[in-house]
Amino acid sequence: SAVISQKPSRDICQRGTSLTIQCQVDSQVTMMFWYRQQPGQSLTLIATANQGSEATYESGFVIDKFPISRPNLTFSTLTVSNMSPEDSSIYLCSVVASGDTQYFGPGTRLTVL
Amino acid sequence: AQRVTQPEKLLSVFKGAPVELKCNYSYSGSPELFWYVQYSRQRLQLLLRHISRESIKGFTADLNKGETSFHLKKPFAQEEDSAMYYCALQGAQKLVFGQGTRLTINP
Repeated sequence: SAVISQKPSRDICQRGTSLTIQCQVDSQVTMMFWYRQQPGQSLTLIATANQGSEATYESGFVIDKFPISRPNLTFSTLTVSNMSPEDSSIYLCSVVASGDTQYFGPGTRLTVL
Repeated sequence: AQRVTQPEKLLSVFKGAPVELKCNYSYSGSPELFWYVQYSRQRLQLLLRHISRESIKGFTADLNKGETSFHLKKPFAQEEDSAMYYCALQGAQKLVFGQGTRLTINP
């Protein structure tokens, strides 16, 4: 398995500002993902964080709004830019380890006022 | 396109009763299906996957390709089974989740 930590665990931000969320894994992993879980909703994949190249974004998500960095095989960041109240969600990092099982971080609960 | 449907948002059963959480999927390729569980104040974790064909915490799930279903079952519910359950489909290196079912086990 993989142990995943995220920082911050929660934050309350003002409209128009940006927040960077960090994801740290205790082992090197190839596949790393960022998900969003809006209130009362299921998990939606934002993007795949690729090491050494640009992230691969899902339909409806763009790099200008959600820039992602993946400097190495154990770390990634997701920035939520120019936030609005609609960005209030839980943001989760996940990795593939132990074959092709996906493990999830504890999530970052973001509230935008 | 990949799609996962969990028709029940809420499910409530009594302790000791059988439980079945429904999951249907749509996928043109060969699906790989999972059940994830999220207990109160805990992170999302894998419960079981169809290729392992194992029973975890008394839960089993059988892939029925004819009915495109992967229902989760347990013969005798326990109070500690109360949680949010998500069915997920892995296809083309992308994991797609259903809407989730909140299971409540009443004493």
